Amino acid sequence: DSGVTQTPKHLITATGQRVTLRCSPRSGDLSVYWYQQSLDQGLQFLIQYYNGEERAKGNILERFSAQQFPDLHSELNLSSLELGDSALYFCASSVAPGSYNEQFFGPGTRLTVL
Amino acid sequence: GENVEQHPSTLSVQEGDSAVIKCTYSDSASNYFPWYKQELGKRPQLIIDIRSNVGEKKDQRIAVTLNKTAKHFSLHITETQPEDSAVYFCAAPLWRDDKIIFGKGTRLHILP
Repeated sequence: DSGVTQTPKHLITATGQRVTLRCSPRSGDLSVYWYQQSLDQGLQFLIQYYNGEERAKGNILERFSAQQFPDLHSELNLSSLELGDSALYFCASSVAPGSYNEQFFGPGTRLTVL
Repeated sequence: GENVEQHPSTLSVQEGDSAVIKCTYSDSASNYFPWYKQELGKRPQLIIDIRSNVGEKKDQRIAVTLNKTAKHFSLHITETQPEDSAVYFCAAPLWRDDKIIFGKGTRLHILP
C-alpha cells in the first residue's frame, strides 16, 4: 500500500458524459500527478500540481481538467467522454515537485466508456 | 523533443537467466533516472533509480547503468525469477518543465 488513495476503483459510463476521479496523496506529500494508461500502453503524463498550483502539463485534452484543493486532494474531471478515453487513470504523489522525487502511485481508477 | 525510448517492448527469458532493458533520453540536462515495475493489475512501483553523478547502482539482483555521454541507461536483472514477470518502465525528467517522461514499457516474461 503506497498511501495514495483513489476513488472510485471502477467507473462505467456512456459517451458524452462527465466524470470526476478523486485522489488523496500520501500524508506529507505536496505534489500530485495524473497519468493515463490505455491498454498495453505506457504511462501518459497528464498534469501535475504542487501545493494547490498547476506545476506542469502534459498531453492533457481540453475536455479534461484537474485541480488540487487546500487539503491537497486532487480531482481529475473528464467531460464529453469518448470511447477512446477508456483507460486506467493513475494518480501519484511525491513529497516535493522536483522530478527527482520518487512518485508513489495510487491503485488507479479504471474508466470504461460505453 | 520530449522523448524516452525504451527497448525491447517485450522480452522473454528463461528463469535463472539475465534480462536487460535499455532506454535513451533526449534532454541532456536530465540527471535522475528511475525504473518502475508494474505487476499485472497493480500500480507502478519504484524499484531502483540512479542519479547522474554515478555510473552504476546495484540492489541485490537488479542494477542500473548510466551512460550520460550517449544518453542511455539500462536495467539489468540477474538470476531472474517468476516474480520478475511484469512491465518495467524507465523514466527521465524534463528539467525545463519539471516533469517526468516515461518510456512505453517492457513486458518481461520469465519462462519456466
